[in-house]
Amino acid sequence: AQSVAQPEDQVNVAEGNPLTVKCTYSVSGNPYLFWYVQYPNRGLQFLLKYITGDNLVKGSYGFEAEFNKSQTSFHLKKPSALVSDSALYFCAVRVRSNDYKLSFGAGTTVTVRA
Amino acid sequence: EPEVTQTPSHQVTQMGQEVILRCVPISNHLYFYWYRQILGQKVEFLVSFYNNEISEKSEIFDDQFSVERPDGSNFTLKIRSTKLEDSAMYFCASSGGTGRDEKLFFGSGTQLSVL
Repeated sequence: AQSVAQPEDQVNVAEGNPLTVKCTYSVSGNPYLFWYVQYPNRGLQFLLKYITGDNLVKGSYGFEAEFNKSQTSFHLKKPSALVSDSALYFCAVRVRSNDYKLSFGAGTTVTVRA
Repeated sequence: EPEVTQTPSHQVTQMGQEVILRCVPISNHLYFYWYRQILGQKVEFLVSFYNNEISEKSEIFDDQFSVERPDGSNFTLKIRSTKLEDSAMYFCASSGGTGRDEKLFFGSGTQLSVL
């Protein structure tokens, strides 16, 4: 079975500081990994994805994520957090080519204080 | 950016009643999904739908659940006889394709409360 884990329920950082949201995955094949963000009263929005190639992927709003196969991780990062980055972040994985579903992590609430 | 819209945003119903959750996917998308999130738990896959039929469903999607695309724009989830444990936020999503790298576009959800 495929799964992702987000070990932190909450992450709190000061504005301007680096932000990291952790994600590890467990799959039997090669993973396709995604990050989604949910702002209050909004649906989940796509941030970025890793398919193949360069382990560092860049996405929306200045976010990036690093795929680490040996550590089975796909941590989300932003060098300088903004108050507007405060939201709920979900890591997700899909494996089989005919597998329609995404498996989501439990989510991490990020709070950026001014 | 185009959006997936869901109605209603909140639905309160009595146990045993039928509910229909409605979604309008992005107009040129062909693949449609329902996910749900019980409070404090993970976002869970329910069902995917393509070419007017279910392409995949999870073990959660039992005989009490059904999906339909009644016209060219709406995509509905029906729960025939609601249970207390059906209380959750239900998200509709759509995509233009089913490649493993395809991103999903999600609606803002319907909060279903079963009393």
